Amino acid sequence: EIVMTQSPATLSVSPGERATLSCRASQSVGSNFAWYQQKPGQAPRLLIYAVSTRATGIPVRFSGSGSGTEFTLTISSLQSEDFAAYFCQQYDKWPLTFGGGTKVEIK
Amino acid sequence: EVQVSESGGGLVQPGGSLRLSCGASGFTFSTYSMNWVRQAPGKELEWVSGISGSGADTAYADSVKGRFTISRDNSRNTLNLQMYSLSAEDTAVYYCVGRRDAFDIWGQGTMVTVSS
Repeated sequence: EIVMTQSPATLSVSPGERATLSCRASQSVGSNFAWYQQKPGQAPRLLIYAVSTRATGIPVRFSGSGSGTEFTLTISSLQSEDFAAYFCQQYDKWPLTFGGGTKVEIK
Repeated sequence: EVQVSESGGGLVQPGGSLRLSCGASGFTFSTYSMNWVRQAPGKELEWVSGISGSGADTAYADSVKGRFTISRDNSRNTLNLQMYSLSAEDTAVYYCVGRRDAFDIWGQGTMVTVSS
């Protein structure tokens, strides 16, 4: 099983600042990698797939980068609605696995 | 509108069984692989099971293999998850998820609680 490790577990950021979230895979997942956002009481929402492709309707302030085993989600200027939990996922090999999540909170 | 909606959750005793269903609308159901993902209270997401668009191929997490069965009916745009031998570790919100690029379409989830 491919283990996905996210860091940090919690990120405190002021509105308008940049946030950088990291995810590491225990082995290469190629470009079969995604990021999701989840707000309390809601289902997750796809943000980024194929490492860097924004899903439909996702603002340009969200960007993804990386390759192989190291990936980054950057939120260029945090808006109030961006404070949430973020999960990474590999969909290269079964079983499909998620990271433990990063909670982005208001500083 | 593209959407999926789960039903069938509830309270079940340890060792019991439950069948979850998911109805889909607003997209060509048969062209999407479908999955179940669960999330225990306050925990991370866990992929449970997946099925190809045709229904010919299925996959399961080790934690549910042999106890859960996924199926789909493309004529009715429905996805099912039959769960047997449930334990407290299966307590979670279960999400129905459609996959094209990644996990594109999520339902709101249905809560399954396993408790005596």
